[in-house]
Parts: sequence; structure tokens; C-alpha cells
Amino acid sequence: DTGVSQNPRHKITKRGQNVTFRCDPISEHNRLYWYRQTLGQGPEFLTYFQNEAQLEKSRLLSDRFSAERPKGSFSTLEIQRTEQGDSAMYLCASSRDRGYTEAFFGQGTRLTVV
Amino acid sequence: QKEVEQDPGPLSVPEGAIVSLNCTYSNSAFQYFMWYRQYSRKGPELLMYTYSSGNKEDGRFTAQVDKSSKYISLFIRDSQPSDSATYLCAMSGLEGNEKLTFGTGTRLTIIP
Repeated sequence: DTGVSQNPRHKITKRGQNVTFRCDPISEHNRLYWYRQTLGQGPEFLTYFQNEAQLEKSRLLSDRFSAERPKGSFSTLEIQRTEQGDSAMYLCASSRDRGYTEAFFGQGTRLTVV
Repeated sequence: QKEVEQDPGPLSVPEGAIVSLNCTYSNSAFQYFMWYRQYSRKGPELLMYTYSSGNKEDGRFTAQVDKSSKYISLFIRDSQPSDSATYLCAMSGLEGNEKLTFGTGTRLTIIP
């Protein structure tokens, strides 16, 4: 069990560019979550998947954001036409199916939009 | 108003002191209550979780939940410099592994 893996760890991009982040959950975990954390704030929920199905999306997830989890394995989060306000830490977490509460977080991808 | 309120601190205490961290919440649907520890530039790691009201102890850490007051606490006994981190409270609904709603985090420093 190598834990939740996120790549890249850091990303600097120019405003208006598209970026994509990847999350590899713990292998037997069915649920996968994306959160966003800005400086001095707690993580805010963005979206989550049960296997390959995207079950809920936050209002924070504008139409510039899209997430996928093909075949219920790894997940990608894409941000199109990045804005400076998108600068944040993007965290991925995974957990087992129903009845199990522990969500394990990855180290996050820190995005800086210049 | 946020669903979960947490004093951001910073909080500084001498080594060996008892630390008390607290959160209040407004959504009565919350049933699972967690405390995460986050070191700088790292992802949060789960310290403890509690279902509904009551106390839970794990080593130097004790979590308390009072649903009638919508108030949760984390106590750290015999605090160590390695406990210096940001502590986040988090809550979720009936199934326990739905989305988590976090507080802002309290930044704690233990002074040797």
C-alpha cells in the first residue's frame, strides 16, 4: 500500500493555459475525492467518484473544471483557461465503499497561475 | 456563515501542556466527526474520528463530540514539539465517507 499518489507535486502555469492533474488512489478504494485548499483555509470539496461514476460536484466546480475517473482507477482533474484565482493546493483523497469513514489524502498538487 | 467554524489561531503553548482545539457547526445532519493533522505543504492525515456524540481516546489524543451543542473538541496531553502542525476538524453525513466539510484549521506551535 503506497498511499494516494498525486502528480505533479507543483505546477506553474500562465493565465489562460490548460492544466491537468493526476491522482492514483489506494488500489482497493472505490471512492475518490477532489478538494481544493487555499492558504489559511481548510480543504473545500470539489467532486467525488464511486468507481467510475461522478456522484456529486460542488458549485465551486465551474464549467472550466472537469474531472474523470476512467475504469474506476486513477482520476484526472483538468482546469481550462486558468485564472489567478485558481492558484491553490489541489488534494485528492480515497476511501473504501460504504460504512468505512477513513479517507486518505495525497500530498496534493500546488498550482500557481502567473 | 460557514457550516463549520474553527478558530484559526495561531496557538502557541509550552511543551508538556494540555492543548484544547475546538470547532462548532451548524448542520445537524453531520454524524461523523474527524480531526486531521496537516504539516506544512503536506496532505492532511487522519488523527481520529468519532460517530455521533461521545468521547474517544487514542494515546495522548482525546476527541469529544457534543451534538446537543454542535461542538467538538480535540485534547492533546503532554504536548510535544512534533505536534506542531495545523489541526483541521472535518464532518460528514450519514454514510461517513461522503464529502467532508472542513474547518479553517488551527495552527498550533509547541514551544520546547
